[in-house]
Amino acid sequence: GNSVTQMEGPVTLSEEAFLTINCTYTATGYPSLFWYVQYPGEGLQLLLKATKADDKGSNKGFEATYRKETTSFHLEKGSVQVSDSAVYFCALSVMGGTYKYIFGTGTRLKVLA
Amino acid sequence: GAVVSQHPSWVICKSGTSVKIECRSLDFQATTMFWYRQFPKQSLMLMATSNEGSKATYEQGVEKDKFLINHASLTLSTLTVTSAHPEDSSFYICSAKTSTGPVKGYTFGSGTRLTVV
Repeated sequence: GNSVTQMEGPVTLSEEAFLTINCTYTATGYPSLFWYVQYPGEGLQLLLKATKADDKGSNKGFEATYRKETTSFHLEKGSVQVSDSAVYFCALSVMGGTYKYIFGTGTRLKVLA
Repeated sequence: GAVVSQHPSWVICKSGTSVKIECRSLDFQATTMFWYRQFPKQSLMLMATSNEGSKATYEQGVEKDKFLINHASLTLSTLTVTSAHPEDSSFYICSAKTSTGPVKGYTFGSGTRLTVV
């Protein structure tokens, strides 16, 4: 079956630190991969996505590369800010009839000034 | 951009009562909406897919008589948790897919934290 595994949080970093949130997946077929972010009191927002192997998604300084050989889609940012504090969800979707998301458990990031 | 408004953001109810959660697409039409549930330290799990004007499609293991979904218009879907019990306490979140216009993809509401006491 399809599943997403992401690292448990919370992750606490100092401002300007390097961020990595690990995400691995299992899927039948060729999934698209996503990172969503949820800021306090808001809905999930698409942060970035990649639709095929070796694609790199990037947005707001965050990036993730679709690695088929390691079935991974790790989220990285070179220098985090306090405003990046949020919950980050890794997700996949597999086309074919029903377009459904499979989410990871979410990782809470807290950035300290 | 596309905005989905979900209401209420949190609710506490007594065991045995019913709770209705609304999901509205504010500036676009949503022919398809999705309802998810997240238990503590677990993934967001898809509960059901609702299509405007037709019956919802429930995922395996989700009781359709307990979680009533109505999608009567292109801008509103509701989830009613009937005869709620403490084990129904969870975080519920909806998402909507646009049907027309330049906005594409899926937009999520802010979620509803349900606590049944």
